[in-house]
Amino acid sequence: EIVLTQSPGTLSLSPGERATLSCRASQSVSSGNLAWYQQKPGQAPRLVIHGASRRATGIPDRFSGSGSGTDFTLTISRLEPEDVAVYYCQQSDSSLYSFGQGTKLDIK
Amino acid sequence: QVQLVQSGAEVKKPGASVKVSCKTSGYTFTGYFLQWVRQAPGQGLEWMGWINPESGATKYAQKFQGRVTMTRDTSISTADMELSRVTSDDTAVYYCARRGNYKSGAFDIWGQGTMVTVSS
Repeated sequence: EIVLTQSPGTLSLSPGERATLSCRASQSVSSGNLAWYQQKPGQAPRLVIHGASRRATGIPDRFSGSGSGTDFTLTISRLEPEDVAVYYCQQSDSSLYSFGQGTKLDIK
Repeated sequence: QVQLVQSGAEVKKPGASVKVSCKTSGYTFTGYFLQWVRQAPGQGLEWMGWINPESGATKYAQKFQGRVTMTRDTSISTADMELSRVTSDDTAVYYCARRGNYKSGAFDIWGQGTMVTVSS
């Protein structure tokens, strides 16, 4: 089973700043089978990035994903107040899935 | 529009079974795998397994093997997840989610979640 470790646990930034969230896998994630989700309080998760770097439908272009192998990054270029959420990375390998433990993003 | 609508909250006693339903609409039910994910209070997301609505084939996370059963009824475009021998550790919000047509297998549409509380 591939274990995903996210860092930092909590990130507190000001509006307009750049947020960088990290996701590290215990072994290589094949073919960019890495996704990112945003979960706001009391809501279901929402797909943000798939295939490591492809924005999902309706996601603003301030969100971007990068990485390969075992190291992946979600970047939010200019934080907006509505970006407050917990962000999870997820991988799929041989039809098995796992999530990271999440990064909580706060706006100062 | 594409929707996944889940059944209502459940309260169960330890040792009982619980079944959560996920009714789909707005797309071809048999064209997309459905996943089940749960989230304990204040905790992260935990993948439980998937079902292929076309064939009925399933794959479960090892943690839930022997306790979870995922089924579907193509006539009503609905998938069910049943968890047996529940304990307080199974108290969580349970989500169904559609696996989108992406190479990465990401989950593009989610249900609203079903709260399951296990308490004596």
